[in-house]
Amino acid sequence: GENVEQHPSTLSVQEGDSAVIKCTYSDSASNYFPWYKQELGKRPQLIIDIRSNVGEKKDQRIAVTLNKTAKHFSLHITETQPEDSAVYFCAARTNNNDMRFGAGTRLTVKP
Amino acid sequence: KAGVTQTPRYLIKTRGQQVTLSCSPISGHRSVSWYQQTPGQGLQFLFEYFSETQRNKGNFPGRFSGRQFSNSRSEMNVSTLELGDSALYLCASSLSGGMRELFFGEGSRLTVL
Repeated sequence: GENVEQHPSTLSVQEGDSAVIKCTYSDSASNYFPWYKQELGKRPQLIIDIRSNVGEKKDQRIAVTLNKTAKHFSLHITETQPEDSAVYFCAARTNNNDMRFGAGTRLTVKP
Repeated sequence: KAGVTQTPRYLIKTRGQQVTLSCSPISGHRSVSWYQQTPGQGLQFLFEYFSETQRNKGNFPGRFSGRQFSNSRSEMNVSTLELGDSALYLCASSLSGGMRELFFGEGSRLTVL
């Protein structure tokens, strides 16, 4: 099955700075890469996703890039705000609908 | 419309017991996935059901099982509980799986003593 590795496990930035979280996947057949945000005590929620036929996708302050050759994808958050503090999970889904998540990154944005 | 509902929200069991958790997906969603969440381990995939059939299974022992009913509601069962089974169990529903957003429930927090 798919194996997803995520780095770093914790990330602390100053408000207004950028944050970057990176993930690698093992199955070259993976074709869908979502990112979920989980605030403390709440359920994970989708914040952005990208399909394998796209190299980059942007939504306001967040963007995701995908490098299929290297089998890695990244989440970029610009102009971070305290409300961005949460655990972020990357995931990869293969053709047989096997969705696997990374171990998560705890992002802290200091005011 | 109503979100994903999981019951019970909290439960305490002792080693050797078994537990059944329930998940009611969003109306119209036919795919239900189950995940185990523990600190530092992220979301570990247990299994996915679609139209009453298990479509995928993660790397968990046979003590973990599940099923899906004709109304798409799903249950998971853990038998012969071990201390390491203490975790938050999340279920997620989607229209059909694939490149579709997963909608998570609030989870069932299981503590094994």
